[in-house]
Amino acid sequence: EAGVAQSPRYKIIEKRQSVAFWCNPISGHATLYWYQQILGQGPKLLIQFQNNGVVDDSQLPKDRFSAERLKGVDSTLKIQPAKLEDSAVYLCASSLRVSGANVLTFGAGSRLTVL
Amino acid sequence: GENVEQHPSTLSVQEGDSAVIKCTYSDSASNYFPWYKQELGKRPQLIIDIRSNVGEKKDQRIAVTLNKTAKHFSLHITETQPEDSAVYFCAASLGNTGFQKLVFGTGTRLLVSP
Repeated sequence: EAGVAQSPRYKIIEKRQSVAFWCNPISGHATLYWYQQILGQGPKLLIQFQNNGVVDDSQLPKDRFSAERLKGVDSTLKIQPAKLEDSAVYLCASSLRVSGANVLTFGAGSRLTVL
Repeated sequence: GENVEQHPSTLSVQEGDSAVIKCTYSDSASNYFPWYKQELGKRPQLIIDIRSNVGEKKDQRIAVTLNKTAKHFSLHITETQPEDSAVYFCAASLGNTGFQKLVFGTGTRLLVSP
């Protein structure tokens, strides 16, 4: 099966600029996640969608980050305006429920550098 | 919220030795515990997982143990090989059935020397 697709793979912007990341999950996976992984740390959940509805966005900095999954398939994550501390890899994942657990598959990530 | 602690942060072993990575979690309702391997510049990949109704699971050279009472779980790699060198993340589920999310540990950098 095809994996989780993300683009762009790399993005360099200056602070206060905006950026958008795109994710296409595995076909049939209803749940989609955006994680932020700062260098040397574990992934931190930003937002979780179930189909096109938001399940959890408690750790999303809503003053600058937004995400949508309009048709319950593809998703975009936007940052506006970017700060230096937003430099990280943004990982998209989708999941299939197996025996009562959400088994996540990650995309390759989008590496953001904010100068 | 859920807190997952992972130790050690770095682990160096000789090829052929065993490696053990330990994690603790705080939410007694957590019922799913996966382990991910992340090679440099690549995506995290699931290598093994365990559910709360099982105490141990093994897949060739890797095994995971779970102690629900103590709220800790461990990854065991036997007969380590240089290609096992990577960062390993544990995770624990949080949330209601159907809307679970994963909380990750801080990672363990494993270096296997030939």
